[in-house]
Amino acid sequence: EVQLVQSGAEVKKPGESLTISCQGSGYRFNNYWILWVRQMPGKGLEWMGRIDPIDSYINYSPSFQGHVTISADKSISTAYLHLSRLKASDTAIYYCARQWGDSEGWGVPDNWGQGTLVTVST
Amino acid sequence: DIVMTQSPDSLAVSLGGRATVDCRSSQTVFNSSNNKNYLAWYQQKPRQPPRLLISWASTRESGVPDRFSGSGSGTDFTLTISSLQAEDVAVYYCHQYHSLPQTFGQGTKVEIK
Repeated sequence: EVQLVQSGAEVKKPGESLTISCQGSGYRFNNYWILWVRQMPGKGLEWMGRIDPIDSYINYSPSFQGHVTISADKSISTAYLHLSRLKASDTAIYYCARQWGDSEGWGVPDNWGQGTLVTVST
Repeated sequence: DIVMTQSPDSLAVSLGGRATVDCRSSQTVFNSSNNKNYLAWYQQKPRQPPRLLISWASTRESGVPDRFSGSGSGTDFTLTISSLQAEDVAVYYCHQYHSLPQTFGQGTKVEIK
C-alpha cells in the first residue's frame, strides 16, 4: 500500500523556523517527485514546489521561493519542507503528495500525505 | 502561471440530482505530443487530504464511483456527478499539471439541497 506519512502538528512563535517531513512507503521513492501544497484556514490549495529525489532537483513556485526550502533524503525515502522566519500568515495545513516523473514525462499527483497543521502564534 | 478558474464557487443539488462543475484554464493544458490534457479533479472532505478522482481530464481513478466523470479539452473542462449522494458533499478542485508552477482552481463547494 502506498503511503505518505507526514510529521505531526506544530505550534511555533513568529520568527521561528520548522521542518516538516514526509516519508514514503509502499513504492519506489526515487521514481516519484514529491510536491508540497499549502492550504490556509478555510482556503484552497496552493502548489509550493516539488523535488526529484533522485538528484534533488527542485522547482519552487515564485510565490514561495525564498521563504521555503525543499529537500529530500532518498536513503530514508523522506522529503522535507523547511519554513523559516515564520509569520502568523504561515498558519496552514501543509500537504505532501507524490507525482510520477522522469526525463520522458510525468503523471498526475496521486497519493497525498495526511497533512501537517502548522500554527504560528504568539 | 496558468490561472485555473472554477464555476460556480458553490452549488446545492438534490439527492440523486446532477452536479456540474466547470473549470477554465488561462492557457491550454493539452500536450499535442501525447494527445493528453494535463488536468485533474480532486475531492476534499473536511479534515481530509485531497483525493484524486479524475486524471488526464477524463480518466476515472480506481475505486472512484462511475457517477463521477470528467470531460473537456484544451482550456475548458467539466466534472459531472450524475446522481449526487450524501457522501459526495465536499469541495472539488481542478488542477493543471501541464506547466510549472502547477496550479489549482479556487474550489467548488457541493452541498445537498
